[in-house]
Amino acid sequence: DAGVTQSPTHLIKTRGQQVTLRCSPKSGHDTVSWYQQALGQGPQFIFQYYEEEERQRGNFPDRFSGHQFPNYSSELNVNALLLGDSALYLCASSTDTAYGYTFGSGTRLTVV
Amino acid sequence: AQSVTQLGSHVSVSEGALVLLRCNYSSSVPPYLFWYVQYPNQGLQLLLKYTSAATLVKGINDFEAEFKKSETSFHLTKPSAHMSDAAEYFCAVSATGFQKLVFGTGTRLLVSP
Repeated sequence: DAGVTQSPTHLIKTRGQQVTLRCSPKSGHDTVSWYQQALGQGPQFIFQYYEEEERQRGNFPDRFSGHQFPNYSSELNVNALLLGDSALYLCASSTDTAYGYTFGSGTRLTVV
Repeated sequence: AQSVTQLGSHVSVSEGALVLLRCNYSSSVPPYLFWYVQYPNQGLQLLLKYTSAATLVKGINDFEAEFKKSETSFHLTKPSAHMSDAAEYFCAVSATGFQKLVFGTGTRLLVSP
C-alpha cells in the first residue's frame, strides 16, 4: 500500500523564482496538509485542503498557495522565493474519520 | 490555542537504558496528542497517539506515553533503548483529530553502545 508520495525530493531555486511541489496522498485519504520544516525546527503548518477547498491556514503569507485535485492529490506553490523559504516541505494526508496523519518523505527546497 | 514544549533538545542514553522524552502541552480544549519520529532525510512516522481514551498509550517499537492532565504532560518512554532508536522525536498537539498539528521543537535522541 503506497503511502504519501512527494515530488521532487530535492529542488534548488533562485530568489524571486516560483516553485511547485506535488503530493499524492495515501490511498483512501481525502485530506492533505502541508508543513514547512526549517533546519533544526519542528514542522510548521501551512494549510490544509479538503474537498478541493482550503479548510485551514497557518501564519504564512499569500505567496504560499495550494490546490487540491479531484483525485485528492495536491500542489503547493510558492511565489517570489526568499532565502528564508529554504526548508523541508512535508505533505501529510488523513481522513476526517481517523486521527493522526501519514507524512511523506518531503521535498527539500534550497533557495540560493 | 495549542502549544507544545519539549524539554531537552538532546537526550543521550546507553543501549539498553530507559528512554524518557518529555513533552508538556497547552490547550484551550481537550487535546489530541501525538508523538512522531523522524530519521535523517525522511518524513515523520507516527509512534503513538492519545485521543481521549486510555491515558496510557502504547505505540510501535515498545514506545509508550502517559497522558497526565494534572501535569499537562505526555512524556514518551521506552524500557530499553536500541541503537536504531537514534532519531529526532516530535511531540504534537491538535484541537481535534483532524485539525492542524502544532509541533514542539523536537528532541534528538542519541544512543551509545
